[in-house]
Amino acid sequence: EPEVTQTPSHQVTQMGQEVILRCVPISNHLYFYWYRQILGQKVEFLVSFYNNEISEKSEIFDDQFSVERPDGSNFTLKIRSTKLEDSAMYFCASSELGTVFFGPGTRLTVL
Amino acid sequence: AQSVTQPDIHITVSEGASLELRCNYSYGATPYLFWYVQSPGQGLQLLLKYFSGDTLVQGIKGFEAEFKRSQSSFNLRKPSVHWSDAAEYFCAVVLNTGTASKLTFGTGTRLQVTL
Repeated sequence: EPEVTQTPSHQVTQMGQEVILRCVPISNHLYFYWYRQILGQKVEFLVSFYNNEISEKSEIFDDQFSVERPDGSNFTLKIRSTKLEDSAMYFCASSELGTVFFGPGTRLTVL
Repeated sequence: AQSVTQPDIHITVSEGASLELRCNYSYGATPYLFWYVQSPGQGLQLLLKYFSGDTLVQGIKGFEAEFKRSQSSFNLRKPSVHWSDAAEYFCAVVLNTGTASKLTFGTGTRLQVTL
């Protein structure tokens, strides 16, 4: 069964450093997403991406964040200068016909 | 604004007992409705979904959910809980705009199963 994959599973970085989280969505899906979950809190929408551009973003998704689909399979989330409060689980997702499928997540720890 | 309420933060049930997890949404139109489960340290797995039609939907792992328009609810049920069902359960909704599916999640219900 096709699934969304994410790498790495855990990323530790120093405050102020750039990180890139990587995802491979399900191959025939057209919509891609990033969500995040701060420890103990609910899952929050960050951004949706369609046809090589952002279709919607939340207020969390400020200028420090960017997304890219560098090739036909990968979908990345970049945080330019990480802050302590960026520590969270980041979930990539893709959707088909309204159903969203999530990857296993990348746990980002900012020290 | 679209919102999802899961009034129970934590529920404990005995193995073999029945389970009902509550979910209410606040939205003018009927959104798409989902239940996801998250085991410790794991991602979000889709249990079931409701788009339209029959208001009782069956999902994986023996779960079902019933959509009640009059109560704006989409409660998750299982007749007999297994110890492996211990996890966090999230209700989520999305407005069908025909474009991207921006999910709004509830705060989750943590299920503990006692043996």
